Amino acid sequence: AQSVAQPEDQVNVAEGNPLTVKCTYSVSGNPYLFWYVQYPNRGLQFLLKYITGDNLVKGSYGFEAEFNKSQTSFHLKKPSALVSDSALYFCAVRALIKAAGNKLTFGGGTRVLVKP
Amino acid sequence: GAGVSQSPRYKVAKRGQDVALRCDPISGHVSLFWYQQALGQGPEFLTYFQNEAQLDKSGLPSDRFFAERPEGSVSTLKIQRTQQEDSAVYLCASSQSRTGGGQPQHFGDGTRLSIL
Repeated sequence: AQSVAQPEDQVNVAEGNPLTVKCTYSVSGNPYLFWYVQYPNRGLQFLLKYITGDNLVKGSYGFEAEFNKSQTSFHLKKPSALVSDSALYFCAVRALIKAAGNKLTFGGGTRVLVKP
Repeated sequence: GAGVSQSPRYKVAKRGQDVALRCDPISGHVSLFWYQQALGQGPEFLTYFQNEAQLDKSGLPSDRFFAERPEGSVSTLKIQRTQQEDSAVYLCASSQSRTGGGQPQHFGDGTRLSIL
């Protein structure tokens, strides 16, 4: 079985400060990892993914994430947060083994609040 | 269309009624997924189609839930004899990839279902 943990329900940060949203995962075999953002009454919007290669992945809107295999983590980061980054963030994993199918398993989400 | 389209956006039904939720994926996308998102939680997988074939329905919570994609494009999620616990946002996602792979899933804005 595959699972994702986002240990923080909410992260508060001042505008201009660095933002980190934590994610750890559990899968059999190698993972595909994704970050999505959700604004109120909207669907999930893709931010970035890790498939293979460089452990530091850059995505949309200045976000990046670092894959750490030994710690089974995939934390989302942004060097300088904006008020408009306030939203709900989801980490998701898909195992590469056939038995896992193509489904994504999501964490419970982390609400980010960026204060001016 | 430019993105995944879901209709209706909001649906209110009385307990015991049947409902049908529609998803129009991005043109040419082979893979289609349905997820259920309860309030304050991450999306949970329901079912997956590759073209018209339903390859994984392991997440459907009961036999009251039924999904189809008869022509490999538009999909319908049907819930029979609705119960209050069916109240949630139902998200549809599509992906280019036949195997799932590293292609991200693109989500619609969802249908918010409320059962009275």
